Amino acid sequence: NAGVTQTPKFRVLKTGQSMTLLCAQDMNHEYMYWYRQDPGMGLRLIHYSVGEGTTAKGEVPDGYNVSRLKKQNFLLGLESAAPSQTSVYFCASSYEKGDRRYGASYEQYFGPGTRLTVT
Amino acid sequence: AQTVTQSQPEMSVQEAETVTLSCTYDTSENNYYLFWYKQPPSRQMILVIRQEAYKQQNATENRFSVNFQKAAKSFSLKISDSQLGDTAMYFCAFMKGPPSGTYKYIFGTGTRLKVLA
Repeated sequence: NAGVTQTPKFRVLKTGQSMTLLCAQDMNHEYMYWYRQDPGMGLRLIHYSVGEGTTAKGEVPDGYNVSRLKKQNFLLGLESAAPSQTSVYFCASSYEKGDRRYGASYEQYFGPGTRLTVT
Repeated sequence: AQTVTQSQPEMSVQEAETVTLSCTYDTSENNYYLFWYKQPPSRQMILVIRQEAYKQQNATENRFSVNFQKAAKSFSLKISDSQLGDTAMYFCAFMKGPPSGTYKYIFGTGTRLKVLA
């Protein structure tokens, strides 16, 4: 099992350029998430998905779009990159493990991160 | 809206000593989950421990334990017998439980822990 993988690991963009970050998981998880991590601000949720074909906005969705056409993949797009989008991006996946009556686990499994710099 | 607060940006502890990291949260929900994640210099996020709000017993995982005070909305992490490998950023996270939950986390801003030799 590769777990959660992210492509690319590093990227430098010029302002106004576009790019797509790919997240893939091989654990058959229903739920997938995109976060950004900035110094002093922890991880903030950008968008998430609770199943194939569904997406929803998180805390900081502006400037980003997502798609989940296949259960195992969750794509994050930047249509017109801005310096404020310089960050480390993490993808995560999760599922409802166990029985809710006895305490299901909602552990999130994270990818290794993508460092994006926008100049 | 739920919020998670970690009031200690940085902490240090001597190897083999005990350290406690604090976390408070604000919610009107009754069913929720709390987590501590560790992020070492490798940047990989690793689950340390989790707690279901309906359980009164504090969760423990080897050298890691929590002090969950539901009424006070406090969820601190105690690391016993600290090791150099515990040096990392630690994040507290909140998740609203089912059936109303959407399975998304709210993270605190993190506490950077350094274990000194």
